[in-house]
Amino acid sequence: NAGVTQTPKFQVLKTGQSMTLQCAQDMNHNSMYWYRQDPGMGLRLIYYSASEGTTDKGEVPNGYNVSRLNKREFSLRLESAAPSQTSVYFCASRDRPSTDTQYFGPGTRLTVL
Amino acid sequence: AQSVTQLDSQVPVFEEAPVELRCNYSSSVSVYLFWYVQYPNQGLQLLLKYLSGSTLVKGINGFEAEFNKSQTSFHLRKPSVHISDTAEYFCAVSEESGNTGKLIFGQGTTLQVKP
Repeated sequence: NAGVTQTPKFQVLKTGQSMTLQCAQDMNHNSMYWYRQDPGMGLRLIYYSASEGTTDKGEVPNGYNVSRLNKREFSLRLESAAPSQTSVYFCASRDRPSTDTQYFGPGTRLTVL
Repeated sequence: AQSVTQLDSQVPVFEEAPVELRCNYSSSVSVYLFWYVQYPNQGLQLLLKYLSGSTLVKGINGFEAEFNKSQTSFHLRKPSVHISDTAEYFCAVSEESGNTGKLIFGQGTTLQVKP
């Protein structure tokens, strides 16, 4: 099992450009999450999806959109990138609620110039 | 709303010494508690969690944590650290009800183990 995979690993954008970060999991988990990690701030939840076909906002959703394409895939889109979106982005999926463990991907390091 | 405070941003320690990483949380509802570890240039992985039951929780790699409800703390301990424990450690909480699994993280503590 690959677990949670993310593409790309690195990306540099100019202000105003758009891009989509891809995430896929092969563990048959219902819930998936997008976080951003900034120095000294820990991880903050951007969006999550409790199950296929549903999405909801987290702490810092402004400037982002998401799509839960199917049970495996959950993508994060930046429509018009801003320097404040320079960050490391992590996707995670969660196993069943009774054990409540999230499994994280390796991350995407995004720089917006 | 919940919040998590990790009281030390960096903890330097010599190899084979004991270590404690401190975590306090604030919440008006019951929460689950977690410690995640992030090795350099990697994603996070679960170290241990408290969902219910015994307040002393044992995790991977010899780590343990104790849930103290009255002090709203969940400090992480290891009796003897190794160089390989050098990493960033995150304390996190999620609401027990609602079942969304949404995590609120602390700011992180960098553990630096010196030879």
